[in-house]
Amino acid sequence: EAQVTQNPRYLITVTGKKLTVTCSQNMNHEYMSWYRQDPGLGLRQIYYSMNVEVTDKGDVPEGYKVSRKEKRNFPLILESPSPNQTSLYFCASSSRSSHNTQYFGPGTRLTVL
Amino acid sequence: AQSVTQLGSHVSVSEGALVLLRCNYSSSVPPYLFWYVQYPNQGLQLLLKYTSAATLVKGINDFEAEFKKSETSFHLTKPSAHMSDAAEYFCAVSEDNQGGKLIFGQGTELSVKP
Repeated sequence: EAQVTQNPRYLITVTGKKLTVTCSQNMNHEYMSWYRQDPGLGLRQIYYSMNVEVTDKGDVPEGYKVSRKEKRNFPLILESPSPNQTSLYFCASSSRSSHNTQYFGPGTRLTVL
Repeated sequence: AQSVTQLGSHVSVSEGALVLLRCNYSSSVPPYLFWYVQYPNQGLQLLLKYTSAATLVKGINDFEAEFKKSETSFHLTKPSAHMSDAAEYFCAVSEDNQGGKLIFGQGTELSVKP
């Protein structure tokens, strides 16, 4: 089954404790993205990747890191989480030939205390 | 810079009534436009997309949207609402030369009354 998977689905952590949210897709898509969703703000893009070793900042990259060492994986790293990063996070992927039609993972709900 | 504006953060309709969710965009080049739906506690699912072919686009569950360049709009409609349509709807815009970059509107929560 074609899908985007994220882990963990739920995470409660404390300020400053480094964490990684994993994202994997099995559709051989070139493009992958991370978004955060906050009430009243819709989804805002954090980072995106056009291919292996190629990443670029989205609209809200501060406090986040990403890497794309393999085509199927695009982990999101919070090196020193803060409470304002409490949010719902989505990973998405798309193919170069699909006019940027993105397929989304199920989401990761992160709470930073 | 691209942007998307969804008019109305909450829309309420009666079951069987017309659904109209409004979306206006700005883009410096011909855009690709999308509507996504998010059911409670779920991820986003693609409803339909416009990619410069027909201006009237049909999607899943009888939803459709019309691209109007002169009005920079891409409003979503459905002739007859079902209770199961209650969800949050997001309009999004992309430009082909920006790879994975997608800009979303703020979302519109649709309620359907019996």
